[in-house]
Amino acid sequence: GIQVEQSPPDLILQEGANSTLRCNFSDSVNNLQWFHQNPWGQLINLFYIPSGTKQNGRLSATTVATERYSLLYISSSQTTDSGVYFCAGLYSGGGADGLTFGKGTHLIIQP
Amino acid sequence: NAGVTQTPKFQVLKTGQSMTLQCAQDMNHEYMSWYRQDPGMGLRLIHYSVGAGITDQGEVPNGYNVSRSTTEDFPLRLLSAAPSQTSVYFCASLKGVGGEQFFGPGTRLTVL
Repeated sequence: GIQVEQSPPDLILQEGANSTLRCNFSDSVNNLQWFHQNPWGQLINLFYIPSGTKQNGRLSATTVATERYSLLYISSSQTTDSGVYFCAGLYSGGGADGLTFGKGTHLIIQP
Repeated sequence: NAGVTQTPKFQVLKTGQSMTLQCAQDMNHEYMSWYRQDPGMGLRLIHYSVGAGITDQGEVPNGYNVSRSTTEDFPLRLLSAAPSQTSVYFCASLKGVGGEQFFGPGTRLTVL
């Protein structure tokens, strides 16, 4: 079936720490995206990363499509990084041009 | 560009009432979609559209109708609201086939 699984579900870190969030996805899911949902509920695009590695400031992401996983790295965490991080992929089996989301990683950065 | 806009931001309805959630985008994207987000979960696809005049169902379409008369607008209609439709609704537009999706700010709907 369609699966997008994220780990860990919750993560509490001190400011300045580094973290790695993981997303595993099934064969029918492609074109991975990472989002940050801030405490106000807004969904912010972080990376569109079907494969390879991208970096944007303190954040970077790597998708290894052949092994069906993607990683989001956050370095030197800041309190503003708190929120829920979602990965989502396009389901290619049913014709629906919509994203299948994981359940998210809830990240809390403490000062 | 304003990107993807949604109105209203908040809405409270009584069971059985109807309403329309508005969504507009100014990026000339062909693809638009509606999602709902329930507490502690990711987003689930309700309906989507691949262009003006073309719509189709997603994962959770029951209780919702959509239409797409223009490229810019994709309204979501609740004909008879139920408490199970209490959720946060997000509209999104898609840059191209299999491309990056962009989300609106969301509408928080409560059905009493």
